[in-house]
Formats: sequence, C-alpha cells, structure tokens
Amino acid sequence: QVVLTQSPSASASLGASVKLTCTLTSGHGSLAVAWHQVQPEKGPRYLMILYSNDSHTKGDGVPDRFSGSSSGTDRYLTISSLQSGDEADYYCQTWGSDNVFFGGGTKLTVL
Amino acid sequence: QVQLQESGPGLVKSSGTLSLTCTVSGGSVSIYPYFWGWVRQPPGKGLEWIATVYYDGSTYYNPSLRGRVSISIDASKSQFSLNLNSVTAADTAFYYCARHNKWLASWYFDLWGRGTLVTVSS
Repeated sequence: QVVLTQSPSASASLGASVKLTCTLTSGHGSLAVAWHQVQPEKGPRYLMILYSNDSHTKGDGVPDRFSGSSSGTDRYLTISSLQSGDEADYYCQTWGSDNVFFGGGTKLTVL
Repeated sequence: QVQLQESGPGLVKSSGTLSLTCTVSGGSVSIYPYFWGWVRQPPGKGLEWIATVYYDGSTYYNPSLRGRVSISIDASKSQFSLNLNSVTAADTAFYYCARHNKWLASWYFDLWGRGTLVTVSS
C-alpha cells in the first residue's frame, strides 16, 4: 500500500516562494501524484498532475506561479510570488490497485 | 465548462443512511477517460476517497468503507449518487463529488464540486 507523507504545516512571506513536499513510500518512486488546493468555503481545486520525470499538466486557470518537480520518491509543489489567496491546505494524491490515496495535507500560511 | 453540484440532506440521524447526488452540467458523464467519484473531509481532518463509478456501471470502493457504501450513476440525468448506511458521528464531513480522470493509467481527480456538509446527529 502506498503512503503519502506531507509536513503538516509550512509558512512563507508574501511575495516569496515556498516548496511543499509529498513523499511516496519507498519503492513507489515511479508513481505520479496530483496536487490539490483546499480552501474553506471554496472546496478543493485541482492544481496539477506531476509525473516522476518532472512533467506535469496543470488544471484550467492555474497560474504559472504554481509548478511541480520530482526527485526520487519526492514530489514537490512550488508556489512563487506568494499571494494571500494562496493560503490554503495542499494535498497530494495518488492511486494503485483500484484504490486512491491522499497525503495528510500541508497547511500553508502566508505571512 | 463542466461543473459539479452536490445535493442532499445536510442532517442525517445516527444509524441511518446518508444519500447524496451529484449533478454534472456542461458535459456528458459518458466520456472516457472520465470516471465520477466522492471524497469526504471530516472537519479539521484530511481528504478521504469514498467511491468511484464509471458510466458503464463499474464501481470502485475504498476498502475501509466497503460494505457500507454504494455508488451509482444515471447517465441520462448526468447524475451520480452515493449511499452510505449505518452512519455514525464519524461520518460527519464535507462531502465532495469530483471527476476522476483515468488517462494513460493515471487516476486522479481533476474537477471538484464545492461540497456539502453532512452532519450525523444522535
């Protein structure tokens, strides 16, 4: 079974960049992950699908400030030029054997 | 532009059945590679996948909920539905319907509804 590990919280200043990490269980370094943003009263928003070779496909309307990268079992979501509206919970998600797995989420605070 | 909208009771009695419907507008539910699913989030906790259905009726369930949950689809109405029985307070959550993309062996949610809060009362 795949486990996705995310730091519970992260913070960065307005206008700065932040890199959020999602770590796959050892041995699952070939899996892709999807990143989702969840804000109160808005519901989740699909950001991108991120593959192990760094390629990624963003959802409609996702700004260029959001990018993804991969290294081994780590999948990263980088948000640059942080805005107050980026404050949210960020979840990674993957799949396997007709099952779906979510990471525990990272709460991003924009200072 | 495709949109998803959840509907159903916001309050369900303990030991009862939670029933929700998702209406898909702006597009067909009968198009590959799109499947249709439900995800929930208890207040203050993380996301949990519940179930997914394909327009041909194929169903997929979270093993931890199998036996209590059923998902179905009515392509003629562009709707899919969730039933969760024997509910307890632990089933209190925001329930989201979502489009589940199965392109090139991937299987990820790429479009979400705004969600609906369902509270289980004693």
